[in-house]
Amino acid sequence: SAVISQKPSRDICQRGTSLTIQCQVDSQVTMMFWYRQQPGQSLTLIATANQGSEATYESGFVIDKFPISRPNLTFSTLTVSNMSPEDSSIYLCSVETGSYEQYFGPGTRLTVT
Amino acid sequence: GNSVTQMEGPVTLSEEAFLTINCTYTATGYPSLFWYVQYPGEGLQLLLKATKADDKGSNKGFEATYRKETTSFHLEKGSVQVSDSAVYFCALTFNQAGTALIFGKGTTLSVSS
Repeated sequence: SAVISQKPSRDICQRGTSLTIQCQVDSQVTMMFWYRQQPGQSLTLIATANQGSEATYESGFVIDKFPISRPNLTFSTLTVSNMSPEDSSIYLCSVETGSYEQYFGPGTRLTVT
Repeated sequence: GNSVTQMEGPVTLSEEAFLTINCTYTATGYPSLFWYVQYPGEGLQLLLKATKADDKGSNKGFEATYRKETTSFHLEKGSVQVSDSAVYFCALTFNQAGTALIFGKGTTLSVSS
């Protein structure tokens, strides 16, 4: 397993601004993922972040809106840019372990007003 | 394409009742199957998994059996507790590095005393 922390745990932001979410893991991992969970909905993959290469984005998500950094094997950030109320969601990072299991951080609850 | 279908919720039970949450999947290939649980205000926790046909995953009194013939992975518990109240997500992935989870829509379980 892995222990994952996220910062901030929640935030309320004005439309048009940007928020950077941090994800820290207690061990080195190759693959990290960023998901979005809209209110009352399931999880949708935003992008996959492999250390040392550009993030791979899912259909409907673009780098200009959700830039991701992966500077080392224990850390990643997701930025939500030029926010609108439709970006209000829980953002979760996850990591993949050697047995293809994924473990999730506690999430960042974002409200855009 | 690959997908996961869960029974609609919410599921409302009395304490000590028997629980079944249905999950079926569509997949090209042989996925691993998972149940995740999300307690109120928290992130997702891996509850149990099964990696091949006829495997049974179990944890905290919950069980699920990987049924290839019916493409199902139903979650069961013999006697639920109030503390089991949460949202349960069925998910699949393929045993390749960097493959994201595909989630069902989630089933809300509410247990009353």
